[in-house]
Amino acid sequence: SQKIEQNSEALNIQEGKTATLTCNYTNYSPAYLQWYRQDPGRGPVFLLLIRENEKEKRKERLKVTFDTTLKQSLFHITASQPADSATYLCALDMTGNTPLVFGKGTRLSVIA
Amino acid sequence: NAGVMQNPRHLVRRRGQEARLRCSPMKGHSHVYWYRQLPEEGLKFMVYLQKENIIDESGMPKERFSAEFPKEGPSILRIQQVVRGDSAAYFCASSSDRETGELFFGEGSRLTVL
Repeated sequence: SQKIEQNSEALNIQEGKTATLTCNYTNYSPAYLQWYRQDPGRGPVFLLLIRENEKEKRKERLKVTFDTTLKQSLFHITASQPADSATYLCALDMTGNTPLVFGKGTRLSVIA
Repeated sequence: NAGVMQNPRHLVRRRGQEARLRCSPMKGHSHVYWYRQLPEEGLKFMVYLQKENIIDESGMPKERFSAEFPKEGPSILRIQQVVRGDSAAYFCASSSDRETGELFFGEGSRLTVL
């Protein structure tokens, strides 16, 4: 079965730096890969979706890449701010018609 | 336009009781998903429903758990004879289009079994 690994449970970075989070998966590539943000005690909030045939997607300070050869997605937050501190979840949609499978998440802390 | 509404936000039950969690999807959304999240664990898919139909229940435990999404009213996740291991946050999500897959989540219902 498909396994998803997010690089680390926690990541601490200095304000203003670029945060890079990693999502690796096994087996075959998903049709879509999505990133969500989850704050403590809240539900996940959708951030970005990237398709199998796309290499990169941007939205304001966020950038997602998708490398089907490496079976990896990178999620970047540039000019990070303390308000970016949250848990970021990677999710795979294998066929475009299957339920999203989520990674455990990476807890990002941006230190002022 | 209200988002996904879940209630109750917090529910405490004793072992053996029943828990009913309700979810109203976003207006215009006909796809509903239930996920369970344990502390320090990822979101685990449970069930996917459309109006009056269960589309995929591959993540649902075979016993004690059931879900419905009636023609009128919210989706219900029902857990019978709860045990301590059922303590978790249960999230509902909805979408308007199955193909794109972007999900809108509620704030969750936190079940504590004493």
